[in-house]
Amino acid sequence: GIQVEQSPPDLILQEGANSTLRCNFSDSVNNLQWFHQNPWGQLINLFYIPSGTKQNGRLSATTVATERYSLLYISSSQTTDSGVYFCAVEPMGSNYQLIWGAGTKLIIKP
Amino acid sequence: KAGVTQTPRYLIKTRGQQVTLSCSPISGHRSVSWYQQTPGQGLQFLFEYFSETQRNKGNFPGRFSGRQFSNSRSEMNVSTLELGDSALYLCASSPTGTLNTEAFFGQGTRLTVV
Repeated sequence: GIQVEQSPPDLILQEGANSTLRCNFSDSVNNLQWFHQNPWGQLINLFYIPSGTKQNGRLSATTVATERYSLLYISSSQTTDSGVYFCAVEPMGSNYQLIWGAGTKLIIKP
Repeated sequence: KAGVTQTPRYLIKTRGQQVTLSCSPISGHRSVSWYQQTPGQGLQFLFEYFSETQRNKGNFPGRFSGRQFSNSRSEMNVSTLELGDSALYLCASSPTGTLNTEAFFGQGTRLTVV
């Protein structure tokens, strides 16, 4: 089955720094989403981005479907950005299920 | 527009008991998926329902089951609970399924089996 790898697994930054999180996937996908999991466990939608580039405030994402990777950019980090970031994909030919990466744990220090 | 609602938020059960979790999707969404999250295995797909029909099931034992009602609300049931069933159970809602559409998640139900 498809493999979804996220890097780095852990990232510690000072407030104000920029960061890039990566998601590699091993096969073609119909769907790719980025989520931020808050300390209470809820998955917050960041981007639905099977291809192309999107921006939302300090966050932006790019998916290069032909090269099977996606990048999440966080600029001017704030302590509230701390948490775990997940990439989830739905492989082509799959039936309505998302396959998840292991996540990147981001800690922003004040 | 109300989001995805999962109840209860927290549960403590004893080994051998059974449990039922509930998920109400976003109004107008007809697909509901369930995922289990554990520290060791990460997020894993349990099953997906659309218009009261299970369209896909993950690799979980038969103790895990679910259903969807005509109003799109869904329940999942775990029978004969084991310690390893302790997890965060997350429900996702989407208009027609995750195929080419965005999924939205509830706050989850945290199940502890003692």
